[in-house]
Amino acid sequence: GAVVSQHPSWVICKSGTSVKIECRSLDFQATTMFWYRQFPKQSLMLMATSNEGSKATYEQGVEKDKFLINHASLTLSTLTVTSAHPEDSSFYICSASRRGGSSATQYFGPGTRLTVL
Amino acid sequence: DAKTTQPPSMDCAEGRAANLPCNHSTISGNEYVYWYRQIHSQGPQYIIHGLKNNETNEMASLIITEDRKSSTLILPHATLRDTAVYYCIVRTQGNDYKLSFGAGTTVTVRA
Repeated sequence: GAVVSQHPSWVICKSGTSVKIECRSLDFQATTMFWYRQFPKQSLMLMATSNEGSKATYEQGVEKDKFLINHASLTLSTLTVTSAHPEDSSFYICSASRRGGSSATQYFGPGTRLTVL
Repeated sequence: DAKTTQPPSMDCAEGRAANLPCNHSTISGNEYVYWYRQIHSQGPQYIIHGLKNNETNEMASLIITEDRKSSTLILPHATLRDTAVYYCIVRTQGNDYKLSFGAGTTVTVRA
């Protein structure tokens, strides 16, 4: 159990276009999902926290109008990179928080590699 | 959340136990220790977590010192597929509580 999927696994787009990435929890309901970004040879950086049915909370320095997050259901969150530019090229990873007893563990998707030309 | 300190890298031999240390001297009473690993170009994989008792699952064992200021992740029989970056993270419990990833330890398992 605790499987998280992402779609697409990779995408190449032209500068100025928008790209949508989906994150799904396949076998559990996740009230909270997280979006991370990872540049080459660096660690994961949290971009935003998303709660089902409410607005996402963005980390300092992350433009909320550029990275649109929608968490419409307990199993689906989407990240839309609007007007993408080459500097947005990165590995985008989502996680979903699963509650079990007194703990809540984050399970991660496989990631989406975005290349903006 | 408390910060953690891990060695940047370590090698281990295939078939041997791998012991990965982590220091978290400023950990507070309600903070858990989580371990994840990231194999190249994949999303992080949850390994194990604990509060103060030692924990074991099918992947690894987690040994937490009595004062909770440090812990050790033990991979009992390392395989080549265990080569990854291992992250030790201290986190307060709750659905909204974030994970802050440091640099982790790059573990290379050699045949």
